Amino acid sequence: DIQMTQSPSTLSASVGDRVTITCRASQSISTWLAWHQQKPGKAPKLLIYKASSLESGVPSRFSGGGSGTEFTLTISSLQPDDFATYYCQHGGTFGQGTKVEIK
Amino acid sequence: EVQLVESGGGLVQTGGSLRLSCAASAFTFSRYAMSWVRQAPGKGLEWVSAISGSGGSTYYADSVKGRFTISRDNSKNTLSLQMNSLRAEDTAVYYCAKDRCSSGTCYSFDYWGPGTLVTVSS
Repeated sequence: DIQMTQSPSTLSASVGDRVTITCRASQSISTWLAWHQQKPGKAPKLLIYKASSLESGVPSRFSGGGSGTEFTLTISSLQPDDFATYYCQHGGTFGQGTKVEIK
Repeated sequence: EVQLVESGGGLVQTGGSLRLSCAASAFTFSRYAMSWVRQAPGKGLEWVSAISGSGGSTYYADSVKGRFTISRDNSKNTLSLQMNSLRAEDTAVYYCAKDRCSSGTCYSFDYWGPGTLVTVSS
């Protein structure tokens, strides 16, 4: 089974910061990777699919990159609405999540 | 707009059964694989089960294999999860989720329901 490992587990940042979250797959998954944002008490929301494609309606400050086994989610300028937990996904496997907190 | 709405959650005793449903609307339900994903309190996302658009193929996490059964009724745009022999560790919010692609899978979900809470207690 493919394992997905995210880092860091927690990230403290300020509004306006550029932040990057990494997701590593235990074997190559080409670009079959998605990123979701989840806020407390809410369902996850798709941000990025196929590693780098921005879901409709998602702000352009979010971007994804990578292929094979290493992937990144970057928020170019962190906004107050972006403090949340982020998960990478490949099919039935999710990363353990990265919580973005206010510094 | 695509909508997924789960129902059927609640409090159940250890060893008991529960049936979850997910009502889907605003897309051609039969064309998309669907999944159940759960989230234990304070924990991350755990995929539970998936079913192909036709219903002919089903998949389960090892943690629920033999206890849970996924099914769908394409005439009623409804996804179901029959959960038997429930354990304390099955306590979670259960989400239904739609695969992004209409044929096979894209390995990603583009819509999620708001979730339904299942609590298993002795």
